Amino acid sequence: QKEVEQNSGPLSVPEGAIASLNCTYSDRGSQSFFWYRQYSGKSPELIMFIYSNGDKEDGRFTAQLNKASQYVSLLIRDSQPSDSATYLCAVNILTTDSWGKLQFGAGTQVVVTP
Amino acid sequence: NTGVTQTPKFRILKIGQSMTLQCTQDMNHNYMYWYRQDPGMGLKLIYYSVGAGITDKGEVPNGYNVSRSTTEDFPLRLELAAPSQTSVYFCASAGIAVQETQYFGPGTRLLVL
Repeated sequence: QKEVEQNSGPLSVPEGAIASLNCTYSDRGSQSFFWYRQYSGKSPELIMFIYSNGDKEDGRFTAQLNKASQYVSLLIRDSQPSDSATYLCAVNILTTDSWGKLQFGAGTQVVVTP
Repeated sequence: NTGVTQTPKFRILKIGQSMTLQCTQDMNHNYMYWYRQDPGMGLKLIYYSVGAGITDKGEVPNGYNVSRSTTEDFPLRLELAAPSQTSVYFCASAGIAVQETQYFGPGTRLLVL
């Protein structure tokens, strides 16, 4: 069973601080990694994707990937109350016919406190 | 483009009833997916399709059926509804680019009593 693990939280972060979210995965052959944000009662929306080792920055968000350690993280700088949501880590499943199939973690709830 | 649309938004079913959840995308995406999300849990893949006429089972297909007669539409059929099928159902679609970003519909909340 291929797995994607995240801390469920809630992760409480003061406004203006950095939120650090972690995700580990079991399929060593996975190539693409995604972070989705999901507000309560809404559908997931893509924040970032990454498929090369290292860091990828987009505005206040930075994704970090370490394939050797099977670890992907998301940093949210200058956290705002609007960042309060559940963040889902998703990893593509490497099979013979399913390049487009993702496995999702259970999500980390982030609460940004004023 | 309006993206991925789903109907209905909310439905209550009695045990043993059947229904079809509709999903349509206007982005000409090849890949389409059905997920369910139980409270506090991640997304579980029910079925997916890589193109019209081609479907395959995901992680939790029991109690569900799908068809894909066109690129745009991917309906999910629930036969003999059970309380365990109470969940939020999301449809998603993706192109065939390297990063395989999936775009989600707004979801259908289903309650089986």
